[in-house]
Amino acid sequence: DTGVSQDPRHKITKRGQNVTFRCDPISEHNRLYWYRQTLGQGPEFLTYFQNEAQLEKSRLLSDRFSAERPKGSFSTLEIQRTEQGDSAMYLCASSFLQTYNEQFFGPGTRLTVL
Amino acid sequence: AQSVTQPDIHITVSEGASLELRCNYSYGATPYLFWYVQSPGQGLQLLLKYFSGDTLVQGIKGFEAEFKRSQSSFNLRKPSVHWSDAAEYFCAVGNLRRQGAQKLVFGQGTRLTINP
Repeated sequence: DTGVSQDPRHKITKRGQNVTFRCDPISEHNRLYWYRQTLGQGPEFLTYFQNEAQLEKSRLLSDRFSAERPKGSFSTLEIQRTEQGDSAMYLCASSFLQTYNEQFFGPGTRLTVL
Repeated sequence: AQSVTQPDIHITVSEGASLELRCNYSYGATPYLFWYVQSPGQGLQLLLKYFSGDTLVQGIKGFEAEFKRSQSSFNLRKPSVHWSDAAEYFCAVGNLRRQGAQKLVFGQGTRLTINP
């Protein structure tokens, strides 16, 4: 069991730059979720996919954010024109296609916008 | 809208002492409840979950939690803590979405410090 992996683990960027994060879920998991966690807070839901379909996006996901899961396997989260307020830990989770499924989380990507 | 409150931001206990972390939720239907633990710089690990049935659930690492519908609570307990239990603990409620996927709503977290 290789677990959920995320790359990179840390990213430092300057305001206005674009960044892209990758998430590789557990191989047999159909569902993939993105959350954002700011310092001292719990994770907040951003979006989720079932296979390649993005089925819900939070209002937290502004138009500068876009997520894809092109072949129903790995997913990418892109932030365009980063702002200092985007600094956070971005967590990916995956789960089986069952109603009462638990989500398995990756280690996260910590983004720092200078 | 559903919400989770963890009243204690930071708790300190001595090694070997008992532990109880509080969690209160607000949810209109039957809640699906979770406790996760997060070590510094790490992702979240599931400790235990409640969907239905027995209101006292057992988890990993010697943790247990009790669902009390009348109090809208899901408190986490451990009879004797170890130094390795020092971490951040998050309570979450699952909100069923389309096709059964779950959006998790997390509390603010409780940071646990262990005194030797």
